[in-house]
Amino acid sequence: AQKVTQAQTEISVVEKEDVTLDCVYETRDTTYYLFWYKQPPSGELVFLIRRNSFDEQNEISGRYSWNFQKSTSSFNFTITASQVVDSAVYFCALGIYNQGGKLIFGQGTELSVKP
Amino acid sequence: DVKVTQSSRYLVKRTGEKVFLECVQDMDHENMFWYRQDPGLGLRLIYFSYDVKMKEKGDIPEGYSVSREKKERFSLILESASTNQTSMYLCASSYTGIGSGNTIYFGEGSWLTVV
Repeated sequence: AQKVTQAQTEISVVEKEDVTLDCVYETRDTTYYLFWYKQPPSGELVFLIRRNSFDEQNEISGRYSWNFQKSTSSFNFTITASQVVDSAVYFCALGIYNQGGKLIFGQGTELSVKP
Repeated sequence: DVKVTQSSRYLVKRTGEKVFLECVQDMDHENMFWYRQDPGLGLRLIYFSYDVKMKEKGDIPEGYSVSREKKERFSLILESASTNQTSMYLCASSYTGIGSGNTIYFGEGSWLTVV
């Protein structure tokens, strides 16, 4: 069975703190893709990153960084020096090769960054 | 930029009414999807379509149907709305399958309340 777990339902931090959002996935497939999406209060899901199962390199994009570890089936997301505009719900998702773009989503983590 | 447009952001319907949610994408994507989002459950796939007039059931198709008469448009239909279908509905689109490494893009969502 395929599953994505985001154990943190809500996180609250003060501006400029670093915060890590956890994502653990389950799949027996060897070829798969992992995504992070941001959902601001407006509702639209904004694509942040996509990683395939053969690429375990960590990635940094500005204040955002992602740590993909196949050994622990985790794909964690860190925001450095958080800002109020980072407040949103963040979703981790799993896509399986040859399943036509279907994504399996985690429950989401609501991040609140307070000034 | 990819644009996925959902025709109605907020709808209030009565129990038993037939409801149409419309979605249009402007990037000539083959794949289109309808997801439902509920607190604590993340996003769950209702239906998806690989091509015009083609559709496949997702994880929670009961009580819904879809229509894809044109490539750019994918409609979600609630034949007889019920209160347990009160939810946020998200449309998405992508090029053929994520096996080819393509990202899925989402619309802004439609908030449906059934009273």
